[in-house]
Amino acid sequence: AQSVTQPDIHITVSEGASLELRCNYSYGATPYLFWYVQSPGQGLQLLLKYFSGDTLVQGIKGFEAEFKRSQSSFNLRKPSVHWSDAAEYFCAVRNYGQNFVFGPGTRLSVLP
Amino acid sequence: GAGVSQSPSNKVTEKGKDVELRCDPISGHTALYWYRQRLGQGLEFLIYFQGNSAPDKSGLPSDRFSAERTGESVSTLTIQRTQQEDSAVYLCASSPSTGLLATNEKLFFGSGTQLSVL
Repeated sequence: AQSVTQPDIHITVSEGASLELRCNYSYGATPYLFWYVQSPGQGLQLLLKYFSGDTLVQGIKGFEAEFKRSQSSFNLRKPSVHWSDAAEYFCAVRNYGQNFVFGPGTRLSVLP
Repeated sequence: GAGVSQSPSNKVTEKGKDVELRCDPISGHTALYWYRQRLGQGLEFLIYFQGNSAPDKSGLPSDRFSAERTGESVSTLTIQRTQQEDSAVYLCASSPSTGLLATNEKLFFGSGTQLSVL
C-alpha cells in the first residue's frame, strides 16, 4: 500500500531563513504528489502539485518542490520564510484508482 | 455553492449517541473523501466515493462508522454509539477526478465538523 512519511514533526526557522520540508513516499510507479498547508483556524489549501514533466514545480506563496524519483522524495522549499508561513504542512500522494494518502504533517514555527 | 460545505460546523454529543455529519461537495465533482483529524494529528483517511459507490472504505475504524452518498452529491458520515476517542475534526473533500489520474487532480476541502464527545 502506498504511504507517505514526513520525518520532521516540528521545524522552527527564523524569518527570512530558507526552508526545506521533507516528504518521502512509497509506491512502485510515479504517483501524483501534492503539498497542502493548513494555517491555524483555516482549511487545507493546495500549495502545489506534481504530475509529470519538469521535476521542479512552482506553487503559491513562493513555495517550490522537487520530485526526485531515485529518492522517492518530494521536498518542499522556500528561499525566505515569512512569519505568515507558520502552519502545518502536509504532503500527499494519489495513485491510479486510489485515494489520496496524506503524511503525518510537519508543523512550522517562524521566529521573528 | 462555490466550495465544499460541511454541516454542522460543531457538534457536541454525549457518549453513546449517534451522530450524522453532512458534506455537500462542489457541484459536478465525482469524487468525495472523508478524513478525520484528531487534535494535533495528521489526516486519517476514512472513505472514498467515486460517484455513489465507495471503492475504498478501508479507513473506517470500526463498524460504528458508515457513510453513504446519494445522487453523486451529498454524503453523510454516520457514527453510531459515539465514544470519546471519536472526538476530532471530520473533513470532507471533493475532486473532479473520475478515478483515472488526470491533470485536474486536486482536493477541495471543506472547513470540517468539529465533533466533541462528552
